[in-house]
Amino acid sequence: DAKTTQPPSMDCAEGRAANLPCNHSTISGNEYVYWYRQIHSQGPQYIIHGLKNNETNEMASLIITEDRKSSTLILPHATLRDTAVYYCIVRGQHAGGTSYGKLTFGQGTILTVHP
Amino acid sequence: NAGVTQTPKFQVLKTGQSMTLQCAQDMNHNSMYWYRQDPGMGLRLIYYSASEGTTDKGEVPNGYNVSRLNKREFSLRLESAAPSQTSVYFCASSESLAGRDTQYFGPGTRLTVL
Repeated sequence: DAKTTQPPSMDCAEGRAANLPCNHSTISGNEYVYWYRQIHSQGPQYIIHGLKNNETNEMASLIITEDRKSSTLILPHATLRDTAVYYCIVRGQHAGGTSYGKLTFGQGTILTVHP
Repeated sequence: NAGVTQTPKFQVLKTGQSMTLQCAQDMNHNSMYWYRQDPGMGLRLIYYSASEGTTDKGEVPNGYNVSRLNKREFSLRLESAAPSQTSVYFCASSESLAGRDTQYFGPGTRLTVL
């Protein structure tokens, strides 16, 4: 799996958009970008994933640059409950490769949402 | 639809004791996983099961055994617990092992080995 780089921490005001960046400059063409978050003491929660196109769901939007070397997770209206560690992960598309099934969690970004 | 459930939520063992962590999913997923998370660290894969009847080692399998009991259930056994196995254990499941299939996680089991 391609390595990802995220800032160690970010702050955001409640009600504002939180934009979390991720660099994955060694990503290959068949690798997906996944975002998970982990609220203290809980299991990782899936947020969103994408391959090439931008994606949106009820939780967030994922913007992937055209060269796919970086992406941004957007929480449009952050709340205090969005305070968590956010993980950007790159996974291979096809089973059987070296990324077979494994999610490689790095250190992530600690997002703190302030009142 | 409970998703992925794990039991117990908390456990304290003495060195050398054994125990089994239970995991079940109700999403009809084929693949299941066991991870451990040490304080301040990311998750590391212990074992995984591509489908019912198959299991494979992950990054850190030493000291653990697994059983894929049926499609729903995947258990993790510590035969002789050691303090180094103090960790939070997460079970996950997905439709398949393919990168396009999302893994969904359980709430975790917090294990302390004295």
